[in-house]
Amino acid sequence: EIVLTQSPATLSLSPGERATLSCRASQSVITFLSWYQQKLGQAPRLLIYDASERATGIPARFSGSGSGTDFTLTISSLEPEDFAVYYCQHRRNWPPTFGGGTKVEI
Amino acid sequence: QVQLVQSGAEVKKPGASVKVSCKASGYTFTSNEIHWVRQAPGQGLEWMGLINPSDDFTTYAQKFQGRVTMTRDTSTTTVYMELSSLRSEDTAFYYCTRDLCNDNGCRIFEYWGQGTLVTVSS
Repeated sequence: EIVLTQSPATLSLSPGERATLSCRASQSVITFLSWYQQKLGQAPRLLIYDASERATGIPARFSGSGSGTDFTLTISSLEPEDFAVYYCQHRRNWPPTFGGGTKVEI
Repeated sequence: QVQLVQSGAEVKKPGASVKVSCKASGYTFTSNEIHWVRQAPGQGLEWMGLINPSDDFTTYAQKFQGRVTMTRDTSTTTVYMELSSLRSEDTAFYYCTRDLCNDNGCRIFEYWGQGTLVTVSS
């Protein structure tokens, strides 16, 4: 199965700063990569799919890029509600797998 | 609006089985696959399998083959996930999640239930 490695494990930033999160795949997933946000005690929320497509209702400050094995989620200017854990997930083949997550903390 | 409402928390002994329900509303039940994803406390996300409510097709992660069964009831627009031979490592939140794409699915998890905590303890 494809292994997704996220870095860094923790990102310490302040509101208003730019956040750059990385996801690396053990083999090419083309652009079949999604990003999810999970806040404490809540279910995950879909942010980005197919590497760069924003899901319905997701603010424009969230953007995704990349292809093949290297992907990036960028939050252009952190809002207080953006401090959470972020997961990447591929759908290139079976089974779909998730990365280990990046915690964005204040 | 699309909603997935799951059953409440469960406490089970090792070796027992648990059956978690997920009631769907706000869309045509048979249009989108439902997946199950679990998360051990403080850990990451793990895909368990899916069911297509239209034709009852299921596929499971190899790790859970033989221990998991996913079913659906179209009359109540509810899907179920049953996990047997429980062990302590199965203690986790179990989430149902609806696929973004119609028909054959695309393994993009658009809508999520609130999660059901299953605790396995003697």
